[in-house]
Amino acid sequence: AQKVTQAQTEISVVEKEDVTLDCVYETRDTTYYLFWYKQPPSGELVFLIRRNSFDEQNEISGRYSWNFQKSTSSFNFTITASQVVDSAVYFCALSEGLNNAGNMLTFGGGTRLMVKP
Amino acid sequence: GAVVSQHPSRVICKSGTSVKIECRSLDFQATTMFWYRQFPKQSLMLMATSNEGSKATYEQGVEKDKFLINHASLTLSTLTVTSAHPEDSSFYICSARGIRSEQYFGPGTRLTVT
Repeated sequence: AQKVTQAQTEISVVEKEDVTLDCVYETRDTTYYLFWYKQPPSGELVFLIRRNSFDEQNEISGRYSWNFQKSTSSFNFTITASQVVDSAVYFCALSEGLNNAGNMLTFGGGTRLMVKP
Repeated sequence: GAVVSQHPSRVICKSGTSVKIECRSLDFQATTMFWYRQFPKQSLMLMATSNEGSKATYEQGVEKDKFLINHASLTLSTLTVTSAHPEDSSFYICSARGIRSEQYFGPGTRLTVT
């Protein structure tokens, strides 16, 4: 069975600080996808990144970066120089099997990030 | 990019009534749609997988007779909450799988049962 754990339920930082959101996953499949989504107060999920299990390269997109480590089953997300607009709930998610990113997603519990001015 | 809509975005109904929520893929065909439920300050939990032209597959613990899912066309899936009760109040989110197996989420429907 698949499982995603986000140990940090809430994080509070001051603007311009860097912050890392942790994600640890469990799966029996060798082929899977990992995702990060942002959920602002409006509720709509905003897609941030998708990573397949064969690609362990770290990725950077502007102030966002992701560190995928299969050895520790982790897919951590770092926001550099955080801004108030980054305040939201962030979800890590896993999709298993068949090299298919469109299968059902198992979500972690989410991390509520509060960035204070 | 692909767009998924949900209607209504927000609904308030009285206990005992039924509510229908629509999920539409606006610019692509989706053979598979998923329905998730999110209680306040909690994560999203999959309720069911909806396949066009066949019966939905429900997750353990989800009552199929209470949450009726119909996926009658490649662009529309509906979730009907029958005989709604206050404990059904939640945020319902659908997602649709596109032809390249990407998954796109709708904006969600906030249901409040009084």
